[in-house]
Amino acid sequence: SQQGEEDPQALSIQEGENATMNCSYKTSINNLQWYRQNSGRGLVHLILIRSNEREKHSGRLRVTLDTSKKSSSLLITASRAADTASYFCATAPDSSYKLIFGSGTRLLVRP
Amino acid sequence: EAGVVQSPRYKIIEKKQPVAFWCNPISGHNTLYWYRQNLGQGPELLIRYENEEAVDDSQLPKDRFSAERLKGVDSTLKIQPAELGDSAVYLCASSSLGREGTDTQYFGPGTRLTVL
Repeated sequence: SQQGEEDPQALSIQEGENATMNCSYKTSINNLQWYRQNSGRGLVHLILIRSNEREKHSGRLRVTLDTSKKSSSLLITASRAADTASYFCATAPDSSYKLIFGSGTRLLVRP
Repeated sequence: EAGVVQSPRYKIIEKKQPVAFWCNPISGHNTLYWYRQNLGQGPELLIRYENEEAVDDSQLPKDRFSAERLKGVDSTLKIQPAELGDSAVYLCASSSLGREGTDTQYFGPGTRLTVL
């Protein structure tokens, strides 16, 4: 079963615009992670945010976490065509090593 | 540093045939995972190894799937016999458990299996 649900399922933006993707989950977590997957390739880890953190930055990425709402968002600023990929959130439930992935957001950045 | 290596990258077989996938994790990573990713979905865990021990295989369909990790390094995932519904991408990942129990998993490129 998949805990995380990403929203929207698909997003199309112009190069240079910002892209925001949301993730909701059901159970309490130890941490939440975002991964990117380019077409036909494996997943690449982008960022990890712990349950006691509210916001984290990495380059053009900004992740927020609201544990009271059981939700997270990933913001990609100044998008580039190379950002075109599927983005997955993955939650690590409390006291568990497991990562439970959502179904992903497919992002298309038009040049 | 080399990443997670998987082979083959693609496999097409007829139903009822056996198939095997191979994974070589990142050097020094003691934890290895096999995931299955159906089209348009996120990966779902099949089995997790700590060194050579399968510590969680609750999601592995044991009637037809088997896995091994001899010597705690490379791993093989086998399906016998394959069914049409097994068509998916099979991903291998490895990690080195960090402090506080959190870890980053590093994924291989996957094996895309098509069962005809």
